[in-house]
Amino acid sequence: DTAVSQTPKYLVTQMGNDKSIKCEQNLGHDTMYWYKQDSKKFLKIMFSYNNKELIINETVPNRFSPKSPDKAHLNLHINSLELGDSAVYFCASSLTTLQETQYFGPGTRLLVL
Amino acid sequence: AQTVTQSQPEMSVQEAETVTLSCTYDTSESDYYLFWYKQPPSRQMILVIRQEAYKQQNATENRFSVNFQKAAKSFSLKISDSQLGDAAMYFCAYSINTGNQFYFGTGTSLTVIP
Repeated sequence: DTAVSQTPKYLVTQMGNDKSIKCEQNLGHDTMYWYKQDSKKFLKIMFSYNNKELIINETVPNRFSPKSPDKAHLNLHINSLELGDSAVYFCASSLTTLQETQYFGPGTRLLVL
Repeated sequence: AQTVTQSQPEMSVQEAETVTLSCTYDTSESDYYLFWYKQPPSRQMILVIRQEAYKQQNATENRFSVNFQKAAKSFSLKISDSQLGDAAMYFCAYSINTGNQFYFGTGTSLTVIP
């Protein structure tokens, strides 16, 4: 059984397009996260939701909009994609807060041409 | 500002030998959590070990153990009896509850030589 799943695994798109990445966890966790890993492998937290409420919103362009329809899902929508958005995006979840172990999805490799 | 520093971008170890990956962090908090995550070529992030700052005893998980020095703000990972499957990027991470902050280090790429 997949604990944290993301779709799609790969996403290649043109500049200016709008795209979404979906994330689902079946662990019964309350908290979900989005991370961005750049080409130098640097991982940075973007957003965190706890029970569908936004609790972390790091300095991220407002072209990025997370949506949590329920606590098992946290989707990431990106408008007007730019070359610099190319990265691997990881979804993660934890039982409650950041003190808990985070379980990561397999990542979505986004390439903007 | 809280930061996590991994000063070794790359490390290598002979199979069956022991290797230590270093991590230091900067914080003014007294209660926090530290983690080591492993990212193999498959890109999946996998938890290796976790340490609560209020615990003096170093965490251990099979062949993986940490040397947690709170005063020195150091959190190194020791891998004993290294195996080929240990080859991966290793990330040190830090979290506190206040403000829901979570930080990763820049990673150490570990190569295991057969």
